[in-house]
Amino acid sequence: QSVLTQPPSVSGAPGQRVTISCTGSRSNIGAPYDVHWYQHLPGKAPKLIIQGDTSRPSGVPDRFSASRSGTSASLAITGLQAEDEAVYYCESFDNSLSGFWVFGGGTKLTVL
Amino acid sequence: QVQVQQWGAGLSKPSETLSLTCAVSGGSLSGYYWNWIRRSPGKGLEWIGEINHSGTTNYNPSLKSRVTMSVDTSKNSLSLNLQSVTAADTAVYYCAARFGRGRYYYYGMDVWGQGTTVTVSS
Repeated sequence: QSVLTQPPSVSGAPGQRVTISCTGSRSNIGAPYDVHWYQHLPGKAPKLIIQGDTSRPSGVPDRFSASRSGTSASLAITGLQAEDEAVYYCESFDNSLSGFWVFGGGTKLTVL
Repeated sequence: QVQVQQWGAGLSKPSETLSLTCAVSGGSLSGYYWNWIRRSPGKGLEWIGEINHSGTTNYNPSLKSRVTMSVDTSKNSLSLNLQSVTAADTAVYYCAARFGRGRYYYYGMDVWGQGTTVTVSS
């Protein structure tokens, strides 16, 4: 059971828009600590696509965007492409116990 | 641009200690927090812990009793030891860097090693 909750899977057709939610609590996203998002393709290392809630690192297409509200955050991908098919993870800091970083359980995006 | 290359034994026996190393190039250890993350088969990413260039550590509470991280500034490298491994520790292990200056919580991990597959089996 992950501290941050994500839907196991989402899907969309090429060109469509999908969103992935990440639900936390007052000890992490709601504290509020920043939320980061990673894209994980099979056989590759995870790639940072959003940091600081909404900021895209250099080189990440503007088709990727994110938002947050209260104890939740959301990743949106517009203009879906086949290469977007991957597992997406959210990450935040949790101040319970001694404080530690936590990931969501991951969401598998399928491009139909 | 900082890069990392990691290596270590791909097979460990139950109850043994898993050891992995990550070498940093294109920059120094300072200015970053160095993290270890793993992905077990059929599961998601799990944060194991982090260490900075001074050797200050922060571990996942669920693994804290078995984890030791260290840095070797002379070799620009960092290491992970996980004691008393079981089959549940079978995973792909990654080292990754999080920028460590300014707002600590703002930065995600933007430099990753290639991953090391570790299998725990007798």
